[in-house]
Order: sequence, then C-alpha cells, then structure tokens
Amino acid sequence: ETGVTQTPRHLVMGMTNKKSLKCEQHLGHNAMYWYKQSAKKPLELMFVYNFKEQTENNSVPSRFSPECPNSSHLFLHLHTLQPEDSALYLCASSQVGAAGAVHEQFFGPGTRLTVL
Amino acid sequence: GDSVTQMEGPVTLSEEAFLTINCTYTATGYPSLFWYVQYPGEGLQLLLKATKADDKGSNKGFEATYRKETTSFHLEKGSVQVSDSAVYFCALRGQGGSEKLVFGKGTKLTVNP
Repeated sequence: ETGVTQTPRHLVMGMTNKKSLKCEQHLGHNAMYWYKQSAKKPLELMFVYNFKEQTENNSVPSRFSPECPNSSHLFLHLHTLQPEDSALYLCASSQVGAAGAVHEQFFGPGTRLTVL
Repeated sequence: GDSVTQMEGPVTLSEEAFLTINCTYTATGYPSLFWYVQYPGEGLQLLLKATKADDKGSNKGFEATYRKETTSFHLEKGSVQVSDSAVYFCALRGQGGSEKLVFGKGTKLTVNP
C-alpha cells in the first residue's frame, strides 16, 4: 500500500465510449502524474500536475484529457480511444519543494485498460 | 535527450543465485538515479536511489552504485529469493530537480525455487 489509489483496476471499453480513470493520493503531496505502460516499451510520462497546474503534456493525443481538481485527486478522461491505447495506466504523486527539489514518486497499482 | 538503457530480459535464476541487472544512462550533468520494482499486479515501488557520483543505494539486500565514469547504475543482489520475482526498472531524474523521470524498458526477473 503506497498511499496512492486508482479506480477502476480494470476497464474494457469500446472505441466510441467515454470513461474516466481516477487517482487519489493520501500522502499530502503537491504533484501528480499520469504514465502509460505498454508491453515492451519504456514507461511513458503523459501529464504532470504541480500545485494543480499542468506543467507537462508529453505530446499526448487529445482523446486523453486530464483533470486535477485539487492536489489529492487526478482524473484521466478518455474518449474515442483506439485499440493501441490499451495499456496499464499508472498514477503517481510526489512532493515538490519550494526550491524545486523533487522527492521520490509513489505509484498507484494502475488501471488495466482494454480498448475493443 | 536523457535516456536509460537496461539489459533485456527476461532473467531466470535459481534461488540463492547472484543477480546483476545492468543499467547505463545518457544525461547531462549529474542526474539522480533510481531502481524501481514492480511486483505482479501492482504499481512501481522505489527500491533504492543515489543522488550523486559514487553514492551506493541499498535496500532489501539490493545494491547499486552510481558510477559517473561509466554512466552506470547496475543493480546487484548476492542471493535472490523467489519473492524477488518482479520487473525491475532503472530510471533517472535530470539535474536540477526536474519532476520528470526517464525510465528504462524494464527487466523481468523470475526466481525459481
């Protein structure tokens, strides 16, 4: 138990569906991240939120839409996905210090997404 | 840009064997280096880290030394257990405290009894 929870753990959706992934951290951190983990590829950073502001969008297609309503919650809204978007989506959080010093990232268990 | 290269898996060992997983990196300056472990069905957990050259990170019997001269951070354990079966990821964070972690592709380790 890392203090980062993700729901749902598994999701199957059609290409025309709209769904959302949820992440919640109970660690008091101020930065949150979405990663995509595909088979045989390095872990890919998708989005970074620092103090609820998006600080990085790693050239992610617009069919993925993040939302960070507060420093404890992070969502990933999904619409009109493609089969190649099937992957494990991992959320992480960390504490970013006032001088920009970043501490380790804590990961959730992930959501296994299958797009049919 | 920054990158991490780690040995291709999978790696299969017998219990009590010696483990080495190689990791080399490309980055400017002095990045921070990490090993993360992912057990089946779980997210990544930090295993150990080193933030400057010649530092040795250690945890649960695993060790890795930050070698600037060879740009390496190889993971070692003297005697593996079945419970060490997992996927191991080498990662770096660029100098300056960037939020971004760059990961290697991961190495799957299976330890047989």
